[in-house]
Amino acid sequence: LAKTTQPISMDSYEGQEVNITCSHNNIATNDYITWYQQFPSQGPRFIIQGYKTKVTNEVASLFIPADRKSSTLSLPRVSLSDTAVYYCLVGDTGRRALTFGSGTRLQVQP
Amino acid sequence: EAGVTQFPSHSVIEKGQTVTLRCDPISGHDNLYWYRRVMGKEIKFLLHFVKESKQDESGMPNNRFLAERTGGTYSTLKVQPAELEDSGVYFCASSHRPSHYEQYFGPGTRLTVT
Repeated sequence: LAKTTQPISMDSYEGQEVNITCSHNNIATNDYITWYQQFPSQGPRFIIQGYKTKVTNEVASLFIPADRKSSTLSLPRVSLSDTAVYYCLVGDTGRRALTFGSGTRLQVQP
Repeated sequence: EAGVTQFPSHSVIEKGQTVTLRCDPISGHDNLYWYRRVMGKEIKFLLHFVKESKQDESGMPNNRFLAERTGGTYSTLKVQPAELEDSGVYFCASSHRPSHYEQYFGPGTRLTVT
């Protein structure tokens, strides 16, 4: 399994763009990159998934460089409600179990 | 559409007792997963059902844990007898497709063993 490394915590202010980078140096050819978000007292929630280049949805953008050894989750104009833990997961699409790391605790302040 | 539901939301039991956690997946989702986070550590996979069949039990910690999914609908996770180290939050998730795609998580059951 590809090991992921991401910052333990980040602070931001409302209205700012937040970029959370995840390192996954030993990512395999068949691995996808998936990000989950978790609010206190809730289960994780899928945000976005990608394989290469850029993926964008209504919530976030995911940037993946050509070597795929890292990825960046971009949250545009964060609000207080974006305060949560964000997990970067890397895994083969054939693998059923999700492997969570420690995640990044994002704190958005007014 | 109702999401994944779990019952109870919180359970406090004494060491040696038995506890049964329940998970109701999203209707139509054949894939059901159990995870847990213990002692502030990372969320860990326990097992995966496809309908009523166990596809992967590799994360089950020991034989004190028994998961069932009768009829391929809801699932139960029984801990018998409970130990102090079983305290944590137990999450259930479901998905339409297997593999490393979007899984829908329930709110979790917080288990406290005293």
